[in-house]
Amino acid sequence: DTGVSQNPRHKITKRGQNVTFRCDPISEHNRLYWYRQTLGQGPEFLTYFQNEAQLEKSRLLSDRFSAERPKGSFSTLEIQRTEQGDSAMYLCASSSPNRDTSYEQYFGPGTRLTVT
Amino acid sequence: SQKIEQNSEALNIQEGKTATLTCNYTNYSPAYLQWYRQDPGRGPVFLLLIRENEKEKRKERLKVTFDTTLKQSLFHITASQPADSATYLCAGRGYSTLTFGKGTMLLVSP
Repeated sequence: DTGVSQNPRHKITKRGQNVTFRCDPISEHNRLYWYRQTLGQGPEFLTYFQNEAQLEKSRLLSDRFSAERPKGSFSTLEIQRTEQGDSAMYLCASSSPNRDTSYEQYFGPGTRLTVT
Repeated sequence: SQKIEQNSEALNIQEGKTATLTCNYTNYSPAYLQWYRQDPGRGPVFLLLIRENEKEKRKERLKVTFDTTLKQSLFHITASQPADSATYLCAGRGYSTLTFGKGTMLLVSP
């Protein structure tokens, strides 16, 4: 087990383009979370999945953002018509179904998005 | 809206001293608070969790307290080392998600 992985690690795109990020959680983890982090701020919750079901989305998440976890394993986060304000680090985290440790979130290294 | 507040100024201490970081929460009562460490360019790493009915939790050189009257958690690193230099994030659990503070940067000088 190599932990949570995210691809790509860096993405530079022009304003108006669509981008898609991928997250591979720890294999036995059933919960998966997406966060956004800008410089000097803490991670900001975007959405989370339990298995393939998307259970919660932040009200801050605009319609341009969509996330999927089709088979309850990896997840993708797509941003359509990117804007400069979307520039941030996008973090993925996963947690175990074990009741005693389900609160502990394991984070990936993040995908840094720069919109020019 | 629920808020987690941490001192945004960096904390500079000398090696061997105890570092104390503060986390305050407002507009809600988190079921528990978590502390994470984040190094530049990397994702946060979980350190400790403390529940609202616990006063104190320890793990090796780390200690965290939870005061529901003051709405505050304190995070202590004893016998600090330069390798402890990082940003420390406090997060509170609401209904189903975590709310993070901005983090406090700790710098431990030799």
